Amino acid sequence: TQLLEQSPQFLSIQEGENLTVYCNSSSVFSSLQWYRQEPGEGPVLLVTVVTGGEVKKLKRLTFQFGDARKDSSLHITAAQPGDTGLYLCAGAGGGSNYKLTFGKGTLLTVNP
Amino acid sequence: KAGVTQTPRYLIKTRGQQVTLSCSPISGHRSVSWYQQTPGQGLQFLFEYFSETQRNKGNFPGRFSGRQFSNSRSEMNVSTLELGDSALYLCASSVPTVGGEVFGPGTRLTVL
Repeated sequence: TQLLEQSPQFLSIQEGENLTVYCNSSSVFSSLQWYRQEPGEGPVLLVTVVTGGEVKKLKRLTFQFGDARKDSSLHITAAQPGDTGLYLCAGAGGGSNYKLTFGKGTLLTVNP
Repeated sequence: KAGVTQTPRYLIKTRGQQVTLSCSPISGHRSVSWYQQTPGQGLQFLFEYFSETQRNKGNFPGRFSGRQFSNSRSEMNVSTLELGDSALYLCASSVPTVGGEVFGPGTRLTVL
């Protein structure tokens, strides 16, 4: 069974701080996606990374796909309370029949 | 453009009963996937339907089944409910060439 390990599981920081969330696997994925989920809602896609070494920026969020396509990171600069939520990474492909394999998520709380 | 809709939003059942959940994808999306989300296991892939055919299947018992209609609407059924089936069931639709899932708000199932 493929596994995507996310760390940290919980993160509580003050507004204005920077943070990085990691997503690691022993499997190679054809693409990796990051989602954010808020209470009572479904996950919302933030970005898809496809190429090893790829870096994508979305305002204050920077996403990186590892060279070997086994890991990814999400960096948030100057976090704001509106960034609070559950961040999920998900891998596609990699020899599995699963549409997507999800990590268990990082619950981020940004305090004002 | 309307998002993915799921009905009902909340459901309470007792052990041994069966349940049917419904999902209407975004217009034009022919792929519909189902996921189960629990605090302990996170988001797990159940199955994917495309053009009324099951394309992928996760590692769940046969009590979990689904189908897709010609208008791309999908239903999933869980028979002989167990306490452990209590979860948030998420439906997602996508366009294969674009990548990334668009999730509905989910159906919160509680089994007593």
